[in-house]
Amino acid sequence: AQSVTQLDSQVPVFEEAPVELRCNYSSSVSVYLFWYVQYPNQGLQLLLKYLSGSTLVKGINGFEAEFNKSQTSFHLRKPSVHISDTAEYFCAVTSRYSSASKIIFGSGTRLSIRP
Amino acid sequence: EPEVTQTPSHQVTQMGQEVILRCVPISNHLYFYWYRQILGQKVEFLVSFYNNEISEKSEIFDDQFSVERPDGSNFTLKIRSTKLEDSAMYFCASSRDLNQPQHFGDGTRLSIL
Repeated sequence: AQSVTQLDSQVPVFEEAPVELRCNYSSSVSVYLFWYVQYPNQGLQLLLKYLSGSTLVKGINGFEAEFNKSQTSFHLRKPSVHISDTAEYFCAVTSRYSSASKIIFGSGTRLSIRP
Repeated sequence: EPEVTQTPSHQVTQMGQEVILRCVPISNHLYFYWYRQILGQKVEFLVSFYNNEISEKSEIFDDQFSVERPDGSNFTLKIRSTKLEDSAMYFCASSRDLNQPQHFGDGTRLSIL
């Protein structure tokens, strides 16, 4: 079984400041890792994914995440945030070996950007 | 870019009534999913569907729930006799393959009175 922990339920940041949203996972098997973003009153949009290869993954809107197997982490970063980045961010995992690829989500981190 | 579309965006139903939530997955996708998000809680997996049958379901997906792909384009979630605790946002998702990311619709907000 897999689980995902997002330690920060809310992260307030000033505009143009850097941000890191933390994510740790646990799994007894190899996993794929994702970050999804949910803008107000919208669905879930894939921000980036780690399937294999380079541990530094670049996504949309200037976000990137680094897979750290030894620390079982997949933290999301952006060097300079904008007001439009205000949203809820979900870290998620799925087993590489599942026959159905169900996604296990973290509880989400609400990113609020202050001008 | 193709999208997963869900209808209606908001459904209000009396407790005990049946409700059907509709989804149109991306056309060349083969795997279909339903998730739900109770207000203030995390997104939870309900069921996955492939080749016209359920691949996996969670403990939430009890006998009250069923899924169907009635034609080549729609994927529906039926709740037979709704309860207050079924109030949530329900998301449909689809993927082309097992190792491909899932694309989500905007969700249907289900409110049970």
